[in-house]
Amino acid sequence: AQSVTQLGSHVSVSEGALVLLRCNYSSSVPPYLFWYVQYPNQGLQLLLKYTSAATLVKGINGFEAEFKKSETSFHLTKPSAHMSDAAEYFCAVSKPGEYGNKLVFGAGTILRVKS
Amino acid sequence: DTAVSQTPKYLVTQMGNDKSIKCEQNLGHDTMYWYKQDSKKFLKIMFSYNNKELIINETVPNRFSPKSPDKAHLNLHINSLELGDSAVYFCASSHRGGLGPSILTFGAGSRLTVL
Repeated sequence: AQSVTQLGSHVSVSEGALVLLRCNYSSSVPPYLFWYVQYPNQGLQLLLKYTSAATLVKGINGFEAEFKKSETSFHLTKPSAHMSDAAEYFCAVSKPGEYGNKLVFGAGTILRVKS
Repeated sequence: DTAVSQTPKYLVTQMGNDKSIKCEQNLGHDTMYWYKQDSKKFLKIMFSYNNKELIINETVPNRFSPKSPDKAHLNLHINSLELGDSAVYFCASSHRGGLGPSILTFGAGSRLTVL
């Protein structure tokens, strides 16, 4: 079975500082990996995805993530935090070719950006 | 022109009642989902339908009955509501997927509170 662990339920950074949100996965086969963002009272929005092509994936709003197979990690980074980045971030994994496209989510990390 | 719309956005009801949440997507997707986000923010898949056919049913009590009248709609009916059903329910849709991963588009969520 696939699973996702997000280290740190809350992360706080200063505006302009580096954002690092950690995600480790467990999968029996090379997975698809995703980061979603949820703003208050809104649905989830896809930030970026990894699909076994380039290991460094660029997403929207300046975010990127690097797939590291040896570390089973897919950490999300952004060089300079902006106030508008404050939200909850979810890492998710799915199994390529699995009928039904089931996404397994981590528990989420709330990002707080201080001015 | 909302892509995935859910109604109602908020629902407060008494234990034992029966309630429904409706979902519609205008993206032309052939697969729709219901996810449940509990009080600890864990997101877990409940059901997935492809072209009105149930393809994922994740050990959900049979008090929950999804209904897909056509591939643009997936409604969730819940009988005999219990306190533990209080959660945010997210509808999502996607193409079934070919060589790459399916990208889910989520609705804004329906917050159900059972008293």
